[in-house]
Amino acid sequence: KAGVTQTPRYLIKTRGQQVTLSCSPISGHRSVSWYQQTPGQGLQFLFEYFSETQRNKGNFPGRFSGRQFSNSRSEMNVSTLELGDSALYLCASSLGSGQGNYGYTFGSGTRLTVV
Amino acid sequence: DAKTTQPTSMDCAEGRAANLPCNHSTISGNEYVYWYRQIHSQGPQYIIHGLKNNETNEMASLIITEDRKSSTLILPHATLRDTAVYYCIVRVDQTGANNLFFGTGTRLTVIP
Repeated sequence: KAGVTQTPRYLIKTRGQQVTLSCSPISGHRSVSWYQQTPGQGLQFLFEYFSETQRNKGNFPGRFSGRQFSNSRSEMNVSTLELGDSALYLCASSLGSGQGNYGYTFGSGTRLTVV
Repeated sequence: DAKTTQPTSMDCAEGRAANLPCNHSTISGNEYVYWYRQIHSQGPQYIIHGLKNNETNEMASLIITEDRKSSTLILPHATLRDTAVYYCIVRVDQTGANNLFFGTGTRLTVIP
């Protein structure tokens, strides 16, 4: 079956702009989590959505937001982009709201470069 | 969540077993040990997890000490494709507990 799909794979934006990233989880999975990965900070949790509700949020400013649709697809938005937002953004899906017996399945990520 | 300590890097000869240690001395009774790996430029990949007993699947084996303060991930016959960063994560498995702390992991290099 298809894995977690993230679009786009690469993105270049200018400081001050806003960006929307998309994640389609594995069919049947209801939980979607987002992570930011940078060389300096490593993998950091952004937020998690389950059944269209945000259940958990990491320590990121309000410029980072997300939502989940009824088909479990999720989007994350970053407004007023800063150079430090350049990162690999990863989406992970799971069947339920915990890791369960199969852990999370991650997508390949969207690499965002802010110039 | 319990913190984990892993060596920064390790080398392993191709075909040999790779044994990756993880210390989690502050683990609590309801916390699982999870292992993920991340191959360069890809998303992390779930490998295995366990609570108390040793576990084995098609990818690896997980050995957890009796006091649960440490564990070892074993790749029985390492291949070049196993070169990756391996993360040991200790976490409860419950609703809303999806904020995994990945730490810095162990960079495993499999040498031909």
